Amino acid sequence: NAGVMQNPRHLVRRRGQEARLRCSPVKGHSHVYWYRQLPEEGLKFMVYLQKENIIDESGMPKERFSAEFPKEGPSILRIQQVVRGDSAAYFCASSPNTPTDTQYFGPGTRLTVL
Amino acid sequence: AQSVTQPDIHITVSEGASLELRCNYSYGATPYLFWYVQSPGQGLQLLLKYFSGDTLVQGIKGFEAEFKRSQSSFNLRKPSVHWSDAAEYFCAVGARTGGYNKLIFGAGTRLAVHP
Repeated sequence: NAGVMQNPRHLVRRRGQEARLRCSPVKGHSHVYWYRQLPEEGLKFMVYLQKENIIDESGMPKERFSAEFPKEGPSILRIQQVVRGDSAAYFCASSPNTPTDTQYFGPGTRLTVL
Repeated sequence: AQSVTQPDIHITVSEGASLELRCNYSYGATPYLFWYVQSPGQGLQLLLKYFSGDTLVQGIKGFEAEFKRSQSSFNLRKPSVHWSDAAEYFCAVGARTGGYNKLIFGAGTRLAVHP
């Protein structure tokens, strides 16, 4: 029983580059959430997706950030033209049959922007 | 607005001592409440959750939490702490919006355990 998988675990980018973070939910889960954890802070909601649909992106910055969860393959969080303030840990969580079920978290991707 | 407050940023206890981590929430309806633990460099592991029913909830690793609606609290307890419990603990409320569960986290409490 594989849990939520995220890769890469660590990602280093220079300012202006693109960052792509991948999340494979628990097999059979169709609800994916992305959260961001800035240093010394709690997690903040970014976006909630179901297969092929973005349901709530109210926590995601309006520019440079996008997310997708295609019919096949992992969910992707994409950050274009990264800046130092994007340095954080990005966590993905998935839930099973209904969106109010418990969310299971992946190990996170730690993004460092130089 | 929904929010979660964890008043204690750092707590240090001796191994074998009892532990209580405080959590207060602000939410208009009956909340879904969670406690997660995060070890250094790791993801979050669910300790326990409250959806409804018995207000005293048992979790993994010997933890329990009690939901007190009158105090808007969901404090986490453990009768005897082990050195391996040193980690960061996050309380969260599920803000059920449009049929899904957007988690709102507190800032966390970092637990250190002295031998």
